[in-house]
Amino acid sequence: AQSVTQPDIHITVSEGASLELRCNYSYGATPYLFWYVQSPGQGLQLLLKYFSGDTLVQGIKGFEAEFKRSQSSFNLRKPSVHWSDAAEYFCAVGARASKSTFGDGTTLTVKP
Amino acid sequence: GAVVSQHPSRVICKSGTSVKIECRSLDFQATTMFWYRQFPKQSLMLMATSNEGSKATYEQGVEKDKFLINHASLTLSTLTVTSAHPEDSSFYICSAETTGGSIQYFGAGTRLSVL
Repeated sequence: AQSVTQPDIHITVSEGASLELRCNYSYGATPYLFWYVQSPGQGLQLLLKYFSGDTLVQGIKGFEAEFKRSQSSFNLRKPSVHWSDAAEYFCAVGARASKSTFGDGTTLTVKP
Repeated sequence: GAVVSQHPSRVICKSGTSVKIECRSLDFQATTMFWYRQFPKQSLMLMATSNEGSKATYEQGVEKDKFLINHASLTLSTLTVTSAHPEDSSFYICSAETTGGSIQYFGAGTRLSVL
């Protein structure tokens, strides 16, 4: 069975500081891995995805994520956080986008 | 890029009434669309897979007679919450998947409040 763990329920960072959101997964083969962002009262927007190739994936809004097979991790990073990045972030894993299992999410708060 | 439109964004209804939520893929054809439910501060739970021209596939524990899904065209799927009760209050999100299954686009969601 596939599963996703986002260990951090809530993270607070100062504007301009770097950010790393953790994601650990369990999956039998090489999965699709996704990071989505959700603003309050909105649907999910895809930040980036990984299936194969370069393990460092670049996404939108300056985000990147690194796939580490040995650690079963797909952590999301951003070098300098902006106030508009405050939102809920979801990691997902699956055989395809629609068959993904979502993590419980990490709420990001950005301090001025 | 591809966009999925969901309507309405918010609906308030009385207990016992039915509510219809529409999900449209605006610039691509979606033979398959998906309906999720999200409780506050929780993740998305897949409710059902909507298949164009055929019956929807429901996840275990989801009442198909309560949550009616129709996918009559390649760009439109509807979810009808029948005889809604307060426990049906939730955030409902639809999505459509691109050909090949590598990307899923989500609607903006519908906040249903049943009084």
